[in-house]
Amino acid sequence: GEDVEQSLFLSVREGDSSVINCTYTDSSSTYLYWYKQEPGAGLQLLTYIFSNMDMKQDQRLTVLLNKKDKHLSLRIADTQTGDSAIYFCAEMGPSGGYQKVTFGIGTKLQVIP
Amino acid sequence: DVKVTQSSRYLVKRTGEKVFLECVQDMDHENMFWYRQDPGLGLRLIYFSYDVKMKEKGDIPEGYSVSREKKERFSLILESASTNQTSMYLCASSSRTSGDNEQFFGPGTRLTVL
Repeated sequence: GEDVEQSLFLSVREGDSSVINCTYTDSSSTYLYWYKQEPGAGLQLLTYIFSNMDMKQDQRLTVLLNKKDKHLSLRIADTQTGDSAIYFCAEMGPSGGYQKVTFGIGTKLQVIP
Repeated sequence: DVKVTQSSRYLVKRTGEKVFLECVQDMDHENMFWYRQDPGLGLRLIYFSYDVKMKEKGDIPEGYSVSREKKERFSLILESASTNQTSMYLCASSSRTSGDNEQFFGPGTRLTVL
């Protein structure tokens, strides 16, 4: 079945860049997502990329997709303390009539002032 | 502002009790989901529904059931709560017609079963 893997924890200093990595197994994935969960809240979509794209940039966020290696990364430039959260990688693949989204375990980003 | 609301933020129940978790969305979404979130395990799909009165099992449906009598409301039922069902429960919804299939999440219900 589908599987999404990511590391549990990342610590960076304020102002540095953060890179959160993710690997997935479903080669038929159509969308790949990054969701953010702030303390005490539900998940919120941060950005996503189509599977036929290599890169997507949105202000401080850069998503890179290596489809051959099934590797997705999220780079946050000039990381701020407000970026401290759990970041979930997710992929959507076709599964019959319903397009199932599989989430990774989440990477907790700690930003040190 | 689009919204998914869950009936309780925190809930404490005893083993064997029947527990209802309610979720309401105001976006007229067709799809609704129930996940549980546990440390080191991430989000795991319990059940989902793609239409009123329709339900499908997710990855971990055992010990749970669901009800979708109205489009905006999706209920998760623990028929006889057990301590291993202590967890954070997240409800989400999505539109069948949206291009990116974004899921909108509620704030979660932290359930403790004693």
